[in-house]
Amino acid sequence: SAVISQKPSRDICQRGTSLTIQCQVDSQVTMMFWYRQQPGQSLTLIATANQGSEATYESGFVIDKFPISRPNLTFSTLTVSNMSPEDSSIYLCSARTGDEQFFGPGTRLTVL
Amino acid sequence: GESVGLHLPTLSVQEGDNSIINCAYSNSASDYFIWYKQESGKGPQFIIDIRSNMDKRQGQRVTVLLNKTVKHLSLQIAATQPGDSAVYFCAEIPSYNTDKLIFGTGTRLQVFP
Repeated sequence: SAVISQKPSRDICQRGTSLTIQCQVDSQVTMMFWYRQQPGQSLTLIATANQGSEATYESGFVIDKFPISRPNLTFSTLTVSNMSPEDSSIYLCSARTGDEQFFGPGTRLTVL
Repeated sequence: GESVGLHLPTLSVQEGDNSIINCAYSNSASDYFIWYKQESGKGPQFIIDIRSNMDKRQGQRVTVLLNKTVKHLSLQIAATQPGDSAVYFCAEIPSYNTDKLIFGTGTRLQVFP
């Protein structure tokens, strides 16, 4: 299994600013992912972050808005850039080990 | 496009009864399915998985059934307890891209005494 932690757990930000979310895994993993979850809804994949290569973004998500870093096999960051109230959501980090995919507790972001 | 969806957005059951949560998927080539439980304020937690070459798999108090003919997945929870109250998601790894995990819409399970 893998234990995933995220920082910050929540934040309230002003529109136009940027927030970087950190994700730490307690073991080395090849595949890490970032998801968004609107209140009361399901999880939507933002991008896949693999070490040593650029992140792969899903339809509707772009690198300029959600830049991702993956400097090593245990850590990744997601930046939400130039935020607007529509970016208010829960952002979850995820990592896959073998067949199992684990999730962090999420970062609850509110944009005013 | 493909989708993984659920029939019942909210399910209320009495403590001690069995719960059945359903999920429909549209990609007949999908190879691997997972059920997750998400409690309030937490990330999804793995419950049980099943591969497309199986039609049933059992865990502790949980059973997953896969019907490939009608592309239907279900999660059965035996002797439902208050701690089972959560949102349950089915998720799918499509065979065309095994990097991706696609989530269904979710069912909220409420357990009352």
